[in-house]
Amino acid sequence: QSVLTQPPSVSGAPGQRVTISCTGSSSNIGAGYDVHWYQQLPGTAPKLLIYGNSNRPSGVPDRFSGSKSGTSASLAITGLQAEDEADYYCQSYDSSLSGPWVFGGGTKLTVL
Amino acid sequence: QLQLQESGPGLVKPSETLSLTCTVSGGSISSSSYYWGWIRQPPGKGLEWIGSIYYSGSTYYNPSLKSRVTISVDTSKNQFSLKLSSVTAADTAVYYCARQHSNRRDGYNLFFDYWGQGTLVTVSS
Repeated sequence: QSVLTQPPSVSGAPGQRVTISCTGSSSNIGAGYDVHWYQQLPGTAPKLLIYGNSNRPSGVPDRFSGSKSGTSASLAITGLQAEDEADYYCQSYDSSLSGPWVFGGGTKLTVL
Repeated sequence: QLQLQESGPGLVKPSETLSLTCTVSGGSISSSSYYWGWIRQPPGKGLEWIGSIYYSGSTYYNPSLKSRVTISVDTSKNQFSLKLSSVTAADTAVYYCARQHSNRRDGYNLFFDYWGQGTLVTVSS
């Protein structure tokens, strides 16, 4: 049971917009700690996609965006492409006995 | 370009100790700006943070694994290592090493910006 809750799967057609949620609590996201997002393509290591809630590392397309509000965060992908099919994970800091650094359970994005 | 490479046995017997090393190239492990971490991923499952170390030697462990985990750093070799004792089949996973960084220059809001390719460790007799 992950401290950060993500939907197991989401899907969308090419060109559409999809969002992936990451729900936490008062000991992590709700306490003001940043949320970071990773993309894991099949058979590869995770790649940093968004850091500090909404910042994109160099090379990450602006189709990917992140936001945070209250005890939740979201990753939005616009103009969905076949190459976006991957697993996505959120990560944050947790001040309870679960931490300090925790990942969400992951969301499988399927491009229809 | 920073690179991380995991190394160690791919097969470990139950009840024995899993030992992995991460070699960092293209940058210094002694930089005060970064932490260094281990993450694992059981087959078909999600990511689990195992633990992290600062170049000074300060360590941080996942409470669920703390009693079995030791992470150490060798700045002279630009390496850090993971030891996980009393392993069982549940410890079978791909193990990743990664660099942790914070754009807020604090010890909390750290993210993993560089990852090794990962190494599969199977626990089996």
